[in-house]
Amino acid sequence: DGGITQSPKYLFRKEGQNVTLSCEQNLNHDAMYWYRQDPGQGLRLIYYSQIVNDFQKGDIAEGYSVSREKKESFPLTVTSAQKNPTAFYLCAGRANNQPQHFGDGTRLSIL
Amino acid sequence: AQSVTQLGSHVSVSEGALVLLRCNYSSSVPPYLFWYVQYPNQGLQLLLKYTSAATLVKGINGFEAEFKKSETSFHLTKPSAHMSDAAEYFCAAAVSGGYQKVTFGIGTKLQVIP
Repeated sequence: DGGITQSPKYLFRKEGQNVTLSCEQNLNHDAMYWYRQDPGQGLRLIYYSQIVNDFQKGDIAEGYSVSREKKESFPLTVTSAQKNPTAFYLCAGRANNQPQHFGDGTRLSIL
Repeated sequence: AQSVTQLGSHVSVSEGALVLLRCNYSSSVPPYLFWYVQYPNQGLQLLLKYTSAATLVKGINGFEAEFKKSETSFHLTKPSAHMSDAAEYFCAAAVSGGYQKVTFGIGTKLQVIP
């Protein structure tokens, strides 16, 4: 099946710990995105990448980092500098001249 | 800068009644517009998109939306609500000519009452 695969579905983080959320795609999308979703706030862009080895900060990049070493993969690291990391995280991919296509999300909680 | 406003964070309709979810955008240029649907603990699924062709856009699951430039609106409608339509709906906009960055509204939760 083709699609955007996010793992794990649920993730728990201890205080002061970095965690990495996985996003893999087999749709040959050039562009990939990470969003954070909080109740009543819609989706806010964290980082995006339009080509391999290049990425740009979105609106709320502080406390997060990404890499894009392969076209298929765009992992997001939530660092200990992110003081309020509890949220639903969505990864999306986009082919040229097409809308974004989303994965099923990862819910991150603090222990 | 563009923005997307969804009027009503929660909307309730009876099963079989008209569904109307409101979306207004502000943009210096005509944008591309989208409606997405999200079921609990899932990602967003594209319902329909407007890209400056026909102003009335038909999407999946019987939904449609009409682009009205004079009102800067892109409201989502469905003639008859089903229980399965209960979900959260997001309106989104991208600057015309590119889908690179999309601005999302805050979402509207639709409740369908039996």
